[in-house]
Amino acid sequence: EAQVTQNPRYLITVTGKKLTVTCSQNMNHEYMSWYRQDPGLGLRQIYYSMNVEVTDKGDVPEGYKVSRKEKRNFPLILESPSPNQTSLYFCASSPRTGNYNEQFFGPGTRLTVL
Amino acid sequence: DAKTTQPTSMDCAEGRAANLPCNHSTISGNEYVYWYRQIHSQGPQYIIHGLKNNETNEMASLIITEDRKSSTLILPHATLRDTAVYYCIVRAAGASGTYKYIFGTGTRLKVLA
Repeated sequence: EAQVTQNPRYLITVTGKKLTVTCSQNMNHEYMSWYRQDPGLGLRQIYYSMNVEVTDKGDVPEGYKVSRKEKRNFPLILESPSPNQTSLYFCASSPRTGNYNEQFFGPGTRLTVL
Repeated sequence: DAKTTQPTSMDCAEGRAANLPCNHSTISGNEYVYWYRQIHSQGPQYIIHGLKNNETNEMASLIITEDRKSSTLILPHATLRDTAVYYCIVRAAGASGTYKYIFGTGTRLKVLA
């Protein structure tokens, strides 16, 4: 089954404790992206990647890191989480080629930073 | 980067057409308009996209004005399962010819029985 998976789905952590949220897709997509969703603010893009070793900042990259060492994986790293990073996070992927770029979203990761 | 503006919420009677507007007055010539929807807190789901011409698929129709400054998503026969938040998105070109997505605030559509 074609899908985007995220782990963990739920996480409660404390300020300053480094964490990684994994994202994996099995559709051989070049494009991958991370979003955060907060009440009243909709979805905001954090980082995206056009292909292996190619990443770029979205609208809200501060406090986050990403890497794209393999095509299928795009982990989101919070080196020193803070309470304002409490949010619902979504990973997405899409094929890069052509003008048609439907994004496939993962199920989401709900993060709470105390 | 083009931004989008959508009404915060709308109601629609079941079986009637739902017309969801979106303003994107600063859109540039090579930017596409995409529509997604999100049910509860699930991952957003793609609905339709377009550049200049009107588009239709099995889920919806997309009407884009001639000046491309606004568009309307039409769900022809809304059902209770169409209750969701609908996002109008413009795909913007980022650094080095890459693309980032700018989501609007979304319209919360409630389909009433």
